[in-house]
Amino acid sequence: GAGVSQSPSNKVTEKGKDVELRCDPISGHTALYWYRQSLGQGLEFLIYFQGNSAPDKSGLPSDRFSAERTGGSVSTLTIQRTQQEDSAVYLCASSLALGQTYEQYFGPGTRLTVT
Amino acid sequence: GNSVTQMEGPVTLSEEAFLTINCTYTATGYPSLFWYVQYPGEGLQLLLKATKADDKGSNKGFEATYRKETTSFHLEKGSVQVSDSAVYFCALSVLDSNYQLIWGAGTKLIIKP
Repeated sequence: GAGVSQSPSNKVTEKGKDVELRCDPISGHTALYWYRQSLGQGLEFLIYFQGNSAPDKSGLPSDRFSAERTGGSVSTLTIQRTQQEDSAVYLCASSLALGQTYEQYFGPGTRLTVT
Repeated sequence: GNSVTQMEGPVTLSEEAFLTINCTYTATGYPSLFWYVQYPGEGLQLLLKATKADDKGSNKGFEATYRKETTSFHLEKGSVQVSDSAVYFCALSVLDSNYQLIWGAGTKLIIKP
């Protein structure tokens, strides 16, 4: 079956512009996670959804970052007024349910470059 | 707090050598432990996992045993191949962190023919 897909695969944007990153989880997966992978910070958790709800937004790096999920499926991560330090690979993962025994399946990521 | 520490790389080995990548963790409660692998140009893939103490995860010739007494989850393989060259990440998941994956820094493995 289809895995987690993300779009775009690459995004180059100018500092100060807004960007929107999209994640399509595996069908039927209720839990969805966003992570960021950067050279300086390694892999860091941003936010998770259980259904359409994001109970904990404390992992988002600043108030320029927001995320939503609609219909229990597609999620978008929006970064407003991008800064150079936002440059990273943004990874989305989904799992069948929320719980530590459930495997998280990762998408290929969106490489964001802020110039 | 919850954290994962893994050995720094890169680790360079010859083909057919024995591999160990060390991983230790700190966690509140009872975590599940994972090894993920990222091959060059590819996304993260789960390599193996263990959900309780003394469990052994295994896949593709790799093994790791969940050791609660030493809070470790070391990755081993008896005979590595060039195709094993990748970055390996140790991670944990636990209830009080909302089951997010908490990651080690990653270890780059280079296998020379």
